[in-house]
Amino acid sequence: GNSVTQMEGPVTLSEEAFLTINCTYTATGYPSLFWYVQYPGEGLQLLLKATKADDKGSNKGFEATYRKETTSFHLEKGSVQVSDSAVYFCANLNAGGTSYGKLTFGQGTILTVHP
Amino acid sequence: NAGVTQTPKFQVLKTGQSMTLQCAQDMNHNSMYWYRQDPGMGLRLIYYSASEGTTDKGEVPNGYNVSRLNKREFSLRLESAAPSQTSVYFCASRLTGITYGYTFGSGTRLTVV
Repeated sequence: GNSVTQMEGPVTLSEEAFLTINCTYTATGYPSLFWYVQYPGEGLQLLLKATKADDKGSNKGFEATYRKETTSFHLEKGSVQVSDSAVYFCANLNAGGTSYGKLTFGQGTILTVHP
Repeated sequence: NAGVTQTPKFQVLKTGQSMTLQCAQDMNHNSMYWYRQDPGMGLRLIYYSASEGTTDKGEVPNGYNVSRLNKREFSLRLESAAPSQTSVYFCASRLTGITYGYTFGSGTRLTVV
């Protein structure tokens, strides 16, 4: 079945630092890939997505590129802010078989940004 | 738009008690899901409903039952709560199609004592 392996955290950065959170996946077929963000006490919100190889998803200064050759979908941001402190989840959506439509999550990476 | 609405937001149960977590979406989505979130475990799928009238087990269905009441509503029932079911529960929904992600509710924090 599908799986997602995410960079272990927690990650602690100073404001304006560069952020990378690594994510690799295994999948049958050609899944869609997602990054979700969870702020304290809230549900998960879709941050960005990519639905085919070489697609780049972007939102709020965050970017991730769907790399089929390395089965990766790393999250990056050039200059983080204190307000980016949250838990980030990488996920892939099964594209076929009996698990069609099911979202598989990584373990989550806690990001803390200090002023 | 309300999106996905979960009730209650917080609940404390005694071991052996039963309760139903409610979930409703107003986006005309076909598929609905129940996840639990535990520290260090990420999110794990309990049950899902690919379309109205169907339900299927996820990774961790034991101790739970679900009902897809209509297209909007998908409830999760704990028949005899156990401390191991202490968790945060999230409901989600999506449209059919590989490009669509999930929309999540804000969660129910359940403690079983």
